[in-house]
Amino acid sequence: GDSVTQMEGPVTLSEEAFLTINCTYTATGYPSLFWYVQYPGEGLQLLLKATKADDKGSNKGFEATYRKETTSFHLEKGSVQVSDSAVYFCALIRNSGNTPLVFGKGTRLSVIA
Amino acid sequence: ETGVTQSPTHLIKTRGQQVTLRCSSQSGHNTVSWYQQALGQGPQFIFQYYREEENGRGNFPPRFSGLQFPNYSSELNVNALELDDSALYLCASSLTGVDYGYTFGSGTRLTVV
Repeated sequence: GDSVTQMEGPVTLSEEAFLTINCTYTATGYPSLFWYVQYPGEGLQLLLKATKADDKGSNKGFEATYRKETTSFHLEKGSVQVSDSAVYFCALIRNSGNTPLVFGKGTRLSVIA
Repeated sequence: ETGVTQSPTHLIKTRGQQVTLRCSSQSGHNTVSWYQQALGQGPQFIFQYYREEENGRGNFPPRFSGLQFPNYSSELNVNALELDDSALYLCASSLTGVDYGYTFGSGTRLTVV
């Protein structure tokens, strides 16, 4: 079945460091890909998405590019802030049929001043 | 526009009891999905409702059941609670056919003792 694999956390970075969180997927066909963020005590918020190969999703300084050849959707940010500390989830959904979001296990990011 | 509201926020139940969790959809959304997020894991799909009918189900036993009401709000019922049911339960609403714009609630934290 469909699955998403994320790098294990936690990831601890100093403020203004470069961030990469790796995400690879297995799916039938060409799914849409997402990054969600979960702040402490809150639900999931959509951070960015890409719906087809070579699309780049971006939001709040975060970027991720849909790479069909490597089945990857790595999350990057050039300069992290303390406020970026959260858990990040990579997810996919098939573009055909009535199928649910499939999530990775999440990667906890801690940014220290 | 209002977001997704879940109640209660926290709940403690005893093994063997039954529980009902509630979700109010975002205005204009007609589809509700429920996810279970165990500690340190990604959300797992339980089921989805569209126009008051279940139209998708994940790998959860029948003691997990749900309802969707004419105003698109929803309930998740769990019978015969087990310790492993302890988790954060997330509700997400969406408008079917529109760009997979899921809006998540903040969740209900269920603890089974």
